[in-house]
Amino acid sequence: HSALTQPASVSGSPGQSITISCTGTSDNIGRYSLVSWYQQFPGKAPKLLIYEDKKRASGISDRFSGSISDILVNTAILTISGLQFDDEADYYCCSYVGDANVLFGGGTTLTVL
Amino acid sequence: QVQLRESGPDLLKPSQTLSLTCAVSGDSISVGGFLWSWVRHQPDKGLEWIGYIYYTGAAYYTPSLKNRVTISLDTPMNQVFLRLNSVTDADTATYFCAKGVIAKEYFTHWGQGIRVTVSS
Repeated sequence: HSALTQPASVSGSPGQSITISCTGTSDNIGRYSLVSWYQQFPGKAPKLLIYEDKKRASGISDRFSGSISDILVNTAILTISGLQFDDEADYYCCSYVGDANVLFGGGTTLTVL
Repeated sequence: QVQLRESGPDLLKPSQTLSLTCAVSGDSISVGGFLWSWVRHQPDKGLEWIGYIYYTGAAYYTPSLKNRVTISLDTPMNQVFLRLNSVTDADTATYFCAKGVIAKEYFTHWGQGIRVTVSS
């Protein structure tokens, strides 16, 4: 199965908005509306933020939103608005890729400056 | 609230078999519509999906580990198992079990993880 490509790192200042991209192919992100996003702090378990491309998980702040890009082909986007220092973590996209298989992106480290 | 807790050895030698248990509380692993997955986080790498098992017992694995991995259930004990044969240094990782939703392919609840080191 092809990889899901994420930028290794992104950064932003408190109050700003940032986006994290997750680029796949027409066989995964482009075919299924089954992208999820997870937040992981060092030494901790991942936490579900977004599922089915754009649905916010229970208890997750509306500062977090998911979408499929209208511009970039086969690309899912995680947007974090009103950036806070507490948002500094690793973020992973995940997509169903067919044949009862799931794939995680390589992860993006968010730094809040 | 569902809770998952992984247990097993923290140190293995190359060629040995890794056996991990995920004890589930607050939920039944035999309830329809859900799957139980194993995901690992290798040092300085990203998350890697290992595989999952449906409540029916049907199991699916990532191609790169398919020949070495088995995921199984003990429904009366409400436990999920991971077995990984012929481990190498590359299998050093923190292993997580997670509850997911069938046909939606996302993971709602995670265990705290167990750190496993493979070293001679």
